[in-house]
Amino acid sequence: EPEVTQTPSHQVTQMGQEVILRCVPISNHLYFYWYRQILGQKVEFLVSFYNNEISEKSEIFDDQFSVERPDGSNFTLKIRSTKLEDSAMYFCASTEQGGGGETQYFGPGTRLLVL
Amino acid sequence: QKEVEQNSGPLSVPEGAIASLNCTYSDRGSQSFFWYRQYSGKSPELIMFIYSNGDKEDGRFTAQLNKASQYVSLLIRDSQPSDSATYLCAAEMNRDDKIIFGKGTRLHILP
Repeated sequence: EPEVTQTPSHQVTQMGQEVILRCVPISNHLYFYWYRQILGQKVEFLVSFYNNEISEKSEIFDDQFSVERPDGSNFTLKIRSTKLEDSAMYFCASTEQGGGGETQYFGPGTRLLVL
Repeated sequence: QKEVEQNSGPLSVPEGAIASLNCTYSDRGSQSFFWYRQYSGKSPELIMFIYSNGDKEDGRFTAQLNKASQYVSLLIRDSQPSDSATYLCAAEMNRDDKIIFGKGTRLHILP
């Protein structure tokens, strides 16, 4: 069964460093998402992406964050200058179509720890 | 501010009994609702989705939606120890395809 994959599974970085989290969505999916989950808290929407541009972003997704689809398979989340509070699980999700009502399939996540 | 509220639990249910999980949402425009299961340290895994008022059954799981009351529930029949997890309720508004998650309810099935 097709699945969303994410790399790395774990990332440890120093505060102020840049990190890139990578995702490979399901191959025929067109809409991509990033969510994060701080330990013990709820899953929070960061950004949605379609047709090589951001569809929607949350207030969390500030200028330190960016997303890119550099080729036909990868979808990346970059954090330019990490802060301690960026420590969280980051989940990528994808769906075949957007516009609401579509099931989003989640990847296994990347656990980011900022020291 | 769109919110999805759940009782955090833990909810303890004997093995073989029915587990009932509840959720309310604040945005009356929400159209689609999802129940995800999340094991500790893992990603959310879709259990059920529901769009229409009423009940929707899939195996041991039944999702119930009442849009007038802005209430969603999930029933798990014949609960198994492997059902022990955190259950996340989520709501999505059409044309606004981000999902708003609740904090989740921890379910513990007692052997």
